[in-house]
Amino acid sequence: GAVVSQHPSRVICKSGTSVKIECRSLDFQATTMFWYRQFPKQSLMLMATSNEGSKATYEQGVEKDKFLINHASLTLSTLTVTSAHPEDSSFYICSAQAGSTEAFFGQGTRLTVV
Amino acid sequence: DAKTTQPPSMDCAEGRAANLPCNHSTISGNEYVYWYRQIHSQGPQYIIHGLKNNETNEMASLIITEDRKSSTLILPHATLRDTAVYYCIVRLSPMNSGYSTLTFGKGTMLLVSP
Repeated sequence: GAVVSQHPSRVICKSGTSVKIECRSLDFQATTMFWYRQFPKQSLMLMATSNEGSKATYEQGVEKDKFLINHASLTLSTLTVTSAHPEDSSFYICSAQAGSTEAFFGQGTRLTVV
Repeated sequence: DAKTTQPPSMDCAEGRAANLPCNHSTISGNEYVYWYRQIHSQGPQYIIHGLKNNETNEMASLIITEDRKSSTLILPHATLRDTAVYYCIVRLSPMNSGYSTLTFGKGTMLLVSP
């Protein structure tokens, strides 16, 4: 299947700082990218959907000013967690889709805010 | 998207077939059945999908009942590396809707033992 790469795989940051997570589609052009969050022992929860060149659509309850999403090119989307707090500690996962193909997932980023 | 019901956990002996059931009694005529799996601390991996015909690929087989209200994912010869949470999801095909988000339930935790 297609390859989606996330970076970093793990990050620890201090409370109040911002963290940027990158999601790249390595062998295809992703017209749509999705960002999920997964807390321990829970399922994936969709945070937002972004189409290249346009603003992201956020799910209800997800603060757009706190979770900044940029999808500036067909191969890169970034999620920035601003002013991170311990409750933002989670496993963040992106997925990418090219037009009518299936969605493929990155390997996830484990964020720990201390 | 229609909701699905899966058993929370299943056990399987290594080398034997793993049969994972999924109920989706409210599935609509243009919704597909998708299966993904998530190995611990990794992003989900696409396995297979189908509309009404049975499907087979190098990973698994998908058997969909004639009334489409349930399906079974079959891993013909389970290995220890198949231990994961398996998600059954019904959704519109990206070919019909441009893109369609994946809504993850709790899935089935499959434990393959030696």
